[in-house]
Amino acid sequence: DADVTQTPRNRITKTGKRIMLECSQTKGHDRMYWYRQDPGLGLRLIYYSFDVKDINKGEISDGYSVSRQAQAKFSLSLESAIPNQTALYFCATSGPGAPNTGELFFGEGSRLTVL
Amino acid sequence: AQSVTQLDSQVPVFEEAPVELRCNYSSSVSVYLFWYVQYPNQGLQLLLKYLSGSTLVKGINGFEAEFNKSQTSFHLRKPSVHISDTAEYFCAVIDEYTGGFKTIFGAGTRLFVKA
Repeated sequence: DADVTQTPRNRITKTGKRIMLECSQTKGHDRMYWYRQDPGLGLRLIYYSFDVKDINKGEISDGYSVSRQAQAKFSLSLESAIPNQTALYFCATSGPGAPNTGELFFGEGSRLTVL
Repeated sequence: AQSVTQLDSQVPVFEEAPVELRCNYSSSVSVYLFWYVQYPNQGLQLLLKYLSGSTLVKGINGFEAEFNKSQTSFHLRKPSVHISDTAEYFCAVIDEYTGGFKTIFGAGTRLFVKA
């Protein structure tokens, strides 16, 4: 089983709908992240959380919200989806300190299409 | 703000030929550098990382990278590629100015290995 699991893997929705992408992890990491991947832009950070009570905006948080329900669960919501939110979304985790300093562990991605 | 530039968006190469994927980052006092690989329809996985010490870093699948502080570069190399190396490769950096453990990604380089 994957250490970082994302659901759904694929979703097609319509403009204005509310969408939730869910992420769960079995790595025991405190730090969790949501990234968005667009062709030619690499990965951009949407939100990150260093523990259950710590939520921080990334570089492109407008139009998104998150919830850290537990150490192992971190969900991303689009309250009113719009077409330019069509992208591949990744959840990732990281553990504290060396020797794995900063290494990210990714889920397999959630492909979202907004019509 | 920290930034990462991957100088080639696509690199076609014949099987068994050598390859170099180029990466430059903004200057900073202290950085951690990473290369991640993304195979089709999968999440990213760590290829190799530089945290400190020897500037030549060896990773999985025969890849290596060299940290050059004066050139602010971290180019990825492999002496002989295989068809299975076809994937997208991302250079990434963490530095003290991005809040400790926020990873900044380059736009990615698509490696096409031809028979």
